[in-house]
Amino acid sequence: DAGVIQSPRHEVTEMGQEVTLRCKPISGHDYLFWYRQTMMRGLELLIYFNNNVPIDDSGMPEDRFSAKMPNASFSTLKIQPSEPRDSAVYFCASSYRQGATDTQYFGPGTRLTVL
Amino acid sequence: DQQVKQNSPSLSVQEGRISILNCDYTNSMFDYFLWYKKYPAEGPTFLISISSIKDKNEDGRFTVFLNKSAKHLSLHIVPSQPGDSAVYFCAARMVFGNEKLTFGTGTRLTIIP
Repeated sequence: DAGVIQSPRHEVTEMGQEVTLRCKPISGHDYLFWYRQTMMRGLELLIYFNNNVPIDDSGMPEDRFSAKMPNASFSTLKIQPSEPRDSAVYFCASSYRQGATDTQYFGPGTRLTVL
Repeated sequence: DQQVKQNSPSLSVQEGRISILNCDYTNSMFDYFLWYKKYPAEGPTFLISISSIKDKNEDGRFTVFLNKSAKHLSLHIVPSQPGDSAVYFCAARMVFGNEKLTFGTGTRLTIIP
């Protein structure tokens, strides 16, 4: 199993540009999560999907952020327009519900730098 | 509002000694707790978990203790090894709530050879 795959691994862009981060979850997993890691706030959940449907997007910071999951094997997180304060590491994770608990498996992350 | 707090940003421990990482939470609805370990340039990986019906869970060198009345949990690593040097995140969730994990800000553990 290849694990959760994220692309790109690094992204450097200029303020105002559109940024698209991509994620391929582990096959068979029915939950997908997008997190952002910063020094000040640690790992924050932005949004999560269940069976491709967004369930909770209360962590999405602003309307500039949007996420989609068109099918079970692909999700995108888009920032438009990007701002320097969006610079962070963005992680995608997936899981499969087994009884009362499950384990989230994380991808390697995308380090975003907005100049 | 940080519902899961790791008040020590860093910790250094001699190889072979015990490492103790602490975590506090404020939401009494949390009833399942996890520790994740993160190496540089990698995503976090699951380490160990504990349900609120227990006060201790052990897996090899790793033991997690939960004190519900104090809303406190700790991770003990005995003996500490150089490969344990990483950032450790505490996380909490409501088992029968939604799937959200609430993470702390992490503690960077350095094992000194």
